[in-house]
Amino acid sequence: EVQLVESGGGLVQPGGSLRLSCAASGFTFSDYWMHWVRQAPGKGLVWVSRLNGDGSSSGYADSVKGRFTISRDNAKNTLYLQMNSLRAEDTAVFYCAGEFNPGGLGWGRGTLVAVSS
Amino acid sequence: QSALTQPPSASGSPGQSVTISCTGTSSDVGAYKYVSWYQKHPGKAPKLMIYEVSKRPSGVPDRFSGSKSGNTASLTVSGLQAEDEADYYCSSYAGDNNFEFGGGTTLTVL
Repeated sequence: EVQLVESGGGLVQPGGSLRLSCAASGFTFSDYWMHWVRQAPGKGLVWVSRLNGDGSSSGYADSVKGRFTISRDNAKNTLYLQMNSLRAEDTAVFYCAGEFNPGGLGWGRGTLVAVSS
Repeated sequence: QSALTQPPSASGSPGQSVTISCTGTSSDVGAYKYVSWYQKHPGKAPKLMIYEVSKRPSGVPDRFSGSKSGNTASLTVSGLQAEDEADYYCSSYAGDNNFEFGGGTTLTVL
């Protein structure tokens, strides 16, 4: 069974940093593009970032470019999102997702990030 | 402002059909076949309902169908059931390793 389990969320002050992790199981992790998607309270889904199987190719939403870094450790079957210079508007549930079908994502349950002083 | 435009709400009675639109541009929806649709119930993870415009993952009822014409994609739910009440989001590849989501449509089963 495919499982994606996010962790690392919490409360952080504006300007602070946080690293999210996503533990993957039930599939060959290195074969798939992986994504981070977020949803602010009461708002819609927003794509954040994408990384290919060997970690050599990535993409970022304009709103996080230069502040967030996506990476993966295929030996540990884990996806990461390093988030720096956090702002109040980054407050959201962050979902890890695998591109198990072309352009179509399978999702974890999410981890909440709250940016507040 | 989301990159892809969806109506905020849609509704239908049990057994009826409802169609949700997703309008993009010639740089995203119009350019690529990688249009997907997701169902999201409050407090739950999103669920993939349609990928590559019209393909259904295993386990998704054939009441759900997708299509695309030009820069607009559509999700049709036929034979509406109470459990179909949820938020629905479209997504499209936008080139250069970027993806976009629509703002979401709340489907109400009357």
